Amino acid sequence: DGGITQSPKYLFRKEGQNVTLSCEQNLNHDAMYWYRQDPGQGLRLIYYSQIVNDFQKGDIAEGYSVSREKKESFPLTVTSAQKNPTAFYLCASSIKEGRENYGYTFGSGTRLTVV
Amino acid sequence: ELKVEQNPLFLSMQEGKNYTIYCNYSTTSDRLYWYRQDPGKSLESLFVLLSNGAVKQEGRLMASLDTKARLSTLHITAAVHDLSATYFCAVDSNNDMRFGAGTRLTVKP
Repeated sequence: DGGITQSPKYLFRKEGQNVTLSCEQNLNHDAMYWYRQDPGQGLRLIYYSQIVNDFQKGDIAEGYSVSREKKESFPLTVTSAQKNPTAFYLCASSIKEGRENYGYTFGSGTRLTVV
Repeated sequence: ELKVEQNPLFLSMQEGKNYTIYCNYSTTSDRLYWYRQDPGKSLESLFVLLSNGAVKQEGRLMASLDTKARLSTLHITAAVHDLSATYFCAVDSNNDMRFGAGTRLTVKP
């Protein structure tokens, strides 16, 4: 079954620690995205990547970093510079043909809590 | 900058009633998406609307798109408890998708 897998499901971070959230897809999608969702709110874009070895900042990139070394993988690192990282993190991927975007497929999410 | 606004943000309905959720957006786009999110879960794709006048229906939900008015609607017919969730609209802005704040729907017996 094709899909997008995020791990871990729950993650606890100590103050000053960097943590990495995993996102893997086997859908052969070119584009991948990271969103942050805070309780009762919508989704805000952190980073996105349209192609391997290239990625762009979204609206709230400060304190986060990403890499896209393989088409299937788009890990997100939450650095110690992110002062309020407690949130639900969603990874998504999409296929594009020209301008047509057939929508996103989302992973199941990672809930990050600072302890 | 593309802005996407949904209303209402909170909606409490009786079972069996009809209602419409509205999604307005600020720049030209002919691609709009609706998603459903259950509490603590990920987002599930409901509808992909790719042209002006597009209408799609699935069960008790029907979505439409008017690109001239920059408006999409999600109509709920004869609501049932299982439809309780948060519904998001999203608009394609070439490089990424912009989401509305979501409409939290509660269907009461």
